[in-house]
Amino acid sequence: DAGVIQSPRHEVTEMGQEVTLRCKPISGHNSLFWYRQTMMRGLELLIYFNNNVPIDDSGMPEDRFSAKMPNASFSTLKIQPSEPRDSAVYFCASSFGQGDEQFFGPGTRLTVL
Amino acid sequence: AQKVTQAQTEISVVEKEDVTLDCVYETRDTTYYLFWYKQPPSGELVFLIRRNSFDEQNEISGRYSWNFQKSTSSFNFTITASQVVDSAVYFCALRGGSSNTGKLIFGQGTTLQVKP
Repeated sequence: DAGVIQSPRHEVTEMGQEVTLRCKPISGHNSLFWYRQTMMRGLELLIYFNNNVPIDDSGMPEDRFSAKMPNASFSTLKIQPSEPRDSAVYFCASSFGQGDEQFFGPGTRLTVL
Repeated sequence: AQKVTQAQTEISVVEKEDVTLDCVYETRDTTYYLFWYKQPPSGELVFLIRRNSFDEQNEISGRYSWNFQKSTSSFNFTITASQVVDSAVYFCALRGGSSNTGKLIFGQGTTLQVKP
C-alpha cells in the first residue's frame, strides 16, 4: 500500500516567490496534518484537517501561509510570498481518525534564497 | 499547557549496548496519548508506538520496549542490544484527549548514534 505522498521532495526558490507543496494522504484516512521541522523550533503542527475541514490552524505562522483540502485525497500548503525564514522541511501526515497514530510522508525540503 | 521534554539531546553507544531514551510529559488532561517516532538519516518519520493514559502496561516489541509510568509522567524507550541501524533521531509526542484534538506535541528529539 502506498504511504503518504508528498511533492516536490525538494524545492529551491527565491524570496518573494510563491511556493506550493502537495500531499496525498493514505487512502481511507480521514485526517491530514501539515508539520514544519526546523533546527530551532523542532517539529511543529501548522494545520490539520478532519474530513477535509480545517480543525486547527493555530500553528500557521501568518497570512502568507494557506492550506486547502479540496477532497479526501489531496491537500496543498501554499506560501506567498516566501521568505528565507520559511526554509524548513515540511511534512504531511495522515491518520484514520484525528486521534489515531499519524503516518508521515517523506517531507519536502524547502530552501528560500 | 502541554509539553514534552526529552532531556537527552544526543546519546552515543557501542553496538550491542542497551540504551534508554527518556521522555517526560506535562498535561492536565486525564485522557491522553503518548507516541514514539523514529527519524532515520533518510529523513522520514516512522511511527513506533501509541499508548493511552489508561494503559500503564509495559510494551515489548522485539528489541524495543517502553516503560510508561504515570506517577512520574514518563514514557521511556529502551533499545536492547542496539544495532547500527538504530542510529536515528527519536521523538516522543503527546496528544491530549479531552479536547478531542489530533494535535501532536513533539519533544525536541534525542539523537542516538550506535557505533560498530
